[in-house]
Amino acid sequence: EAQVTQNPRYLITVTGKKLTVTCSQNMNHEYMSWYRQDPGLGLRQIYYSMNVEVTDKGDVPEGYKVSRKEKRNFPLILESPSPNQTSLYFCASSLVGSGWYGYTFGSGTRLTVV
Amino acid sequence: RKEVEQDPGPFNVPEGATVAFNCTYSNSASQSFFWYRQDCRKEPKLLMSVYSSGNEDGRFTAQLNRASQYISLLIRDSKLSDSATYLCVVNRKDRDDKIIFGKGTRLHILP
Repeated sequence: EAQVTQNPRYLITVTGKKLTVTCSQNMNHEYMSWYRQDPGLGLRQIYYSMNVEVTDKGDVPEGYKVSRKEKRNFPLILESPSPNQTSLYFCASSLVGSGWYGYTFGSGTRLTVV
Repeated sequence: RKEVEQDPGPFNVPEGATVAFNCTYSNSASQSFFWYRQDCRKEPKLLMSVYSSGNEDGRFTAQLNRASQYISLLIRDSKLSDSATYLCVVNRKDRDDKIIFGKGTRLHILP
């Protein structure tokens, strides 16, 4: 089944404790992206990657890191999480060609930083 | 002005009714348009792409008006299961290639 897999689904952590949210897709998509979703603010892009070893900042990259060592994986790293990073996070992937063909999203990670 | 704007709703509509909502975009370099559906606390899922000629998928019809810079979604014979948030998504290509989400329109179908 074609899918984007995120783990974990739920995470409660303490301020300052480094964490990684994993994202993997099995569709051979070039484009991958991380979003956070907060009430009233909608989906905001954190980072994206056009292909292996190519990553760029989105609209809200502060406090996050990403890497793209393999095409299928795009982990999101919070080196020192803070309470304002409590949010619902989505990983998404897409084919890229002459246009954009729409995202497939992972199931989401609900992160709480206390 | 936000680049992609939607009426947040909620739209409370009786089952079986027809409901329509619009999404406006401000950048004429916008090229691709989509409607996504998002259930509470779940991931957005692609509902349909929006083509210049308009397109239909069962009870759902999407249209694009480039002159007035908006897209629309029409749902006929609404079902309880249509209750969700509908997100408008625009792919803009000018100085960069950007995918922009609207904040969504909440729809509640009432029994």
